[in-house]
Amino acid sequence: NAGVTQTPKFRVLKTGQSMTLLCAQDMNHEYMYWYRQDPGMGLRLIHYSVGEGTTAKGEVPDGYNVSRLKKQNFLLGLESAAPSQTSVYFCASSSPSSGIHSYNEQFFGPGTRLTVL
Amino acid sequence: GQSLEQPSEVTAVEGAIVQINCTYQTSGFYGLSWYQQHDGGAPTFLSYNALDGLEETGRFSSFLSRSDSYGYLLLQELQMKDSASYFCAVNSGNTPLVFGKGTRLSVIA
Repeated sequence: NAGVTQTPKFRVLKTGQSMTLLCAQDMNHEYMYWYRQDPGMGLRLIHYSVGEGTTAKGEVPDGYNVSRLKKQNFLLGLESAAPSQTSVYFCASSSPSSGIHSYNEQFFGPGTRLTVL
Repeated sequence: GQSLEQPSEVTAVEGAIVQINCTYQTSGFYGLSWYQQHDGGAPTFLSYNALDGLEETGRFSSFLSRSDSYGYLLLQELQMKDSASYFCAVNSGNTPLVFGKGTRLSVIA
């Protein structure tokens, strides 16, 4: 099992360019998430999905779009990149919570380091 | 809304014990999780507390007091490899985990 994989690992964009980050998981998880991590800010949720064909906004959704056409894939798009979107992006997946004793453990991918010039 | 507070940095000596605290304000609380993240790496799950009390996993223990909205992660016999960031996260059921901003632990010789 590869777990959660992310493509690409590194990317440099110019302001205004667009790109798509791909996340794939092979654990048959229903839930998938996109986070950004900036120094001192922890993990901030951008968008998430609770199943194929569904998406929802997180804490910091502006400037990003997502799609979940297949259960195993979750795509994060930047339509017009800005320097403020320079960050490390993490994808994660989990199973639905089955009650108070459910760990709801999230499995994270290795991250994508994005720099917008 | 939901919020978590944890210290931004902690320094401890190799072989010692360190406690990282986390206080939270949330609704629909199921439990408190802890994640570890080494520099350049991805967060990984450490522990989960749904009920009050102490959960022990090797050198790491985690504690929860639901009445105080408070928990902590206890690391014993510190090793240099324990230098990392530690995040507490609130599990509120079938909504995304809410993470604290993380505590950077530096273990010194």
